[in-house]
Amino acid sequence: DTAVSQTPKYLVTQMGNDKSIKCEQNLGHDTMYWYKQDSKKFLKIMFSYNNKELIINETVPNRFSPKSPDKAHLNLHINSLELGDSAVYFCASSQFLSGNYGYTFGSGTRLTVV
Amino acid sequence: LAKTTQPISMDSYEGQEVNITCSHNNIATNDYITWYQQFPSQGPRFIIQGYKTKVTNEVASLFIPADRKSSTLSLPRVSLSDTAVYYCLVGASGGSYIPTFGRGTSLIVHP
Repeated sequence: DTAVSQTPKYLVTQMGNDKSIKCEQNLGHDTMYWYKQDSKKFLKIMFSYNNKELIINETVPNRFSPKSPDKAHLNLHINSLELGDSAVYFCASSQFLSGNYGYTFGSGTRLTVV
Repeated sequence: LAKTTQPISMDSYEGQEVNITCSHNNIATNDYITWYQQFPSQGPRFIIQGYKTKVTNEVASLFIPADRKSSTLSLPRVSLSDTAVYYCLVGASGGSYIPTFGRGTSLIVHP
């Protein structure tokens, strides 16, 4: 059983398009996250939801909008895609909003904007 | 927010012990120290977590000095499959906690 699953794994799209990445976790965790990893492997948090409520909203363009229909799902919608959005996006979850309990990551979505 | 500093890259050979040190000078009293491993095309994977002194599991050991301003991940007798990026994460519970991973340490194990 996959603990944190993301779809799609690869996404190639043109500038200006709108796309969504879906994430689901079956661990019963209360908190979910979206991270962006650039080509230099820098892993930067974008958003965090705790029990469907937005907790962390780091400085990202308004074109990025997370949506959490329930605590097991956290989707990421991106409007008007730009070349600089190309990166690997990781979804993660944890039992509590903390660093004490460890994060479980999905396998990532490699987004390429052309 | 405890900022961490790690070497960008390290090289080793099969069978050697590898120690990766992370500096976190402004670690808070409630902060735990957690290490993650990331293989290419995969998400980071939890390796080990500690608060103070030494923690050991089947994968690695974590050494934390008394002042907790640094920590060292020790990988015994590495193999080629240990080639990965290793991240040090420092944090604790609370609504204001922002988990920040940084760039990590790229470990390459040579035959």
